[in-house]
Amino acid sequence: DTGVSQDPRHKITKRGQNVTFRCDPISEHNRLYWYRQTLGQGPEFLTYFQNEAQLEKSRLLSDRFSAERPKGSFSTLEIQRTEQGDSAMYLCASSPLSIRGLNTEAFFGQGTRLTVV
Amino acid sequence: LAKTTQPISMDSYEGQEVNITCSHNNIATNDYITWYQQFPSQGPRFIIQGYKTKVTNEVASLFIPADRKSSTLSLPRVSLSDTAVYYCLVGDGDTNAGKSTFGDGTTLTVKP
Repeated sequence: DTGVSQDPRHKITKRGQNVTFRCDPISEHNRLYWYRQTLGQGPEFLTYFQNEAQLEKSRLLSDRFSAERPKGSFSTLEIQRTEQGDSAMYLCASSPLSIRGLNTEAFFGQGTRLTVV
Repeated sequence: LAKTTQPISMDSYEGQEVNITCSHNNIATNDYITWYQQFPSQGPRFIIQGYKTKVTNEVASLFIPADRKSSTLSLPRVSLSDTAVYYCLVGDGDTNAGKSTFGDGTTLTVKP
């Protein structure tokens, strides 16, 4: 297992089109997270899954955004009717299920850079 | 989630020790402190994590005073390849990293 992988690495799309990104987490990790990062800013939390259940969504995740994690393995993030403001790096991370009170670290993929023109 | 405050940027020279301090006045009893490193066009990478006193691994040390309201990441003998953005996060085992707020981090520039 080489870590968290994301596909594609880069995506250019026209405004109004739909795009879908894929994330393959580290195989034994129960938790999967999506973040968005714009230039000069830190990553912003979007949503996370524990196995196949989506447990939390940020207010940043508008109705145009949807994420799935069927069977608790890979995940997809879809953006419908893209806008120029959606241009950003979309990062996926995974971590093992934490035991309360013990620390866990998240492993990030290299991200998908989306450019909406 | 506890809010963190870090310097926006720091400069250093190769071979020097670099200390980056993070303030987290509202840290909760169950919160851990985690530091990540990020290079351009890459995802963040875990550096070190601690709860109290001192933690050391092969790349860094983390110093946490008794009141835990701040922490200091120490990078010994930095090289040019340590130029990156460093983020401090606080959270418990359920929120750490995954749902934590990264903030804008500290941009460290190492000069020759």
